[in-house]
Amino acid sequence: DTEVTQTPKHLVMGMTNKKSLKCEQHMGHRAMYWYKQKAKKPPELMFVYSYEKLSINESVPSRFSPECPNSSLLNLHLHALQPEDSALYLCASSQGTVTDRGGETQYFGPGTRLLVL
Amino acid sequence: GEDVEQSLFLSVREGDSSVINCTYTDSSSTYLYWYKQEPGAGLQLLTYIFSNMDMKQDQRLTVLLNKKDKHLSLRIADTQTGDSAIYFCAEMVFYNQGGKLIFGQGTELSVKP
Repeated sequence: DTEVTQTPKHLVMGMTNKKSLKCEQHMGHRAMYWYKQKAKKPPELMFVYSYEKLSINESVPSRFSPECPNSSLLNLHLHALQPEDSALYLCASSQGTVTDRGGETQYFGPGTRLLVL
Repeated sequence: GEDVEQSLFLSVREGDSSVINCTYTDSSSTYLYWYKQEPGAGLQLLTYIFSNMDMKQDQRLTVLLNKKDKHLSLRIADTQTGDSAIYFCAEMVFYNQGGKLIFGQGTELSVKP
């Protein structure tokens, strides 16, 4: 099973709202990722969690706040977003075993399509 | 820095073979990936190859790697309308705590009946 699930599928929010995106995997993976993707463009890496610790923050604005409550769950908290933040937000996971570099193969979820009004 | 390049569009007839090309820049040993993205969906991992391999075949998919030229290709045999999608080539770049994917711009494959 290589399934990563994301909720909600779609989200519409105003610029003053606070919302959260959720991602879950039950593959025993220890690395989880958030990406932002604009239409017909490649995904852009936002955050990486490795063994529940934030290991990469790609200079993402503070209105995006990641959280990794346990090894299966990854959240992205959203607050005071701008219309240009409207995009598809993708979660991915990988085994995260540094000694086996093949274990870094990333499996993606279906994404949450976010519209900021 | 690392860079991955792909042509943006490819159009083929149903039943023909499709060949999607990609070039990358990292010279160290690495993994190279092909992902498929259908409209409104996430990225589906199609296949991957380690950089010391020349070829990998999986049903209708054949990946060829020319390590000297840093050129990767994905061949889809007997292309079907369901293969219409954006195909992303990606290179894995390793750091102390794991790996980061460097994506190409994506090739939009259009399959005409």
